[in-house]
Amino acid sequence: QVQLVQSGAEVKRPGASVKVSCKTSGYTFTSQGIGWVRQVPGRGLEWMGWTNIDIDNRKYAPAFKGRVTMTTDASTRTAYMELRSLTSDDTAVYYCSRGDGIAFDWGQGTPVTVSS
Amino acid sequence: EIVMTQSPASLSVAPGDGATLACRASQSVSGNVAWYQQKPGHPPRLLIYHASSRASGVPGRFSGSGSRTEFSLTISSLQSEDVAVYYCQQYSDWPRTFGQGTKVEIK
Repeated sequence: QVQLVQSGAEVKRPGASVKVSCKTSGYTFTSQGIGWVRQVPGRGLEWMGWTNIDIDNRKYAPAFKGRVTMTTDASTRTAYMELRSLTSDDTAVYYCSRGDGIAFDWGQGTPVTVSS
Repeated sequence: EIVMTQSPASLSVAPGDGATLACRASQSVSGNVAWYQQKPGHPPRLLIYHASSRASGVPGRFSGSGSRTEFSLTISSLQSEDVAVYYCQQYSDWPRTFGQGTKVEIK
């Protein structure tokens, strides 16, 4: 079956960067892209962006442009999301999902805490 | 960007009763709407895509309808395990956007 397994919880200082990984299995990795969504505690879902193996074919939400980079490694079937210049407002659970528009399957989530 | 607005913000329903959740898009998204269910401490789960197609393994009591700017998710007979927050999402245009969610509780 399809599985997306994300890296573990992170604690970062303000101004630092975080890189979250999403290792996939159970489907043809190159057939669909990976999206990223975050959820601030007690709040709703916020779409961050999407990428596939074509590095020229990435889409980022305006709120994150210039601060986020999404990549994939087809050899390890893993997607990555790096967010820079962290502030306390970036404290959230970050999810990866499989699909180009529809998020068919989701990772378990990676909590990221930004605190001095 | 396309704004998705859900109503009501919360809903309290007796077991066995039906519930209808609404989602409105700020411009036409054709039929490119998905619905997700999220239980506390869990990632979202896809319920409905293409406005009315049930995802694999989703019980038949969940159904979706709508087109262009008006969409709805109906739970025909609420079960205790349906307590969750439900989100709509459009994938007609970039950036993809979610509604703010509707919380469904048992009365």
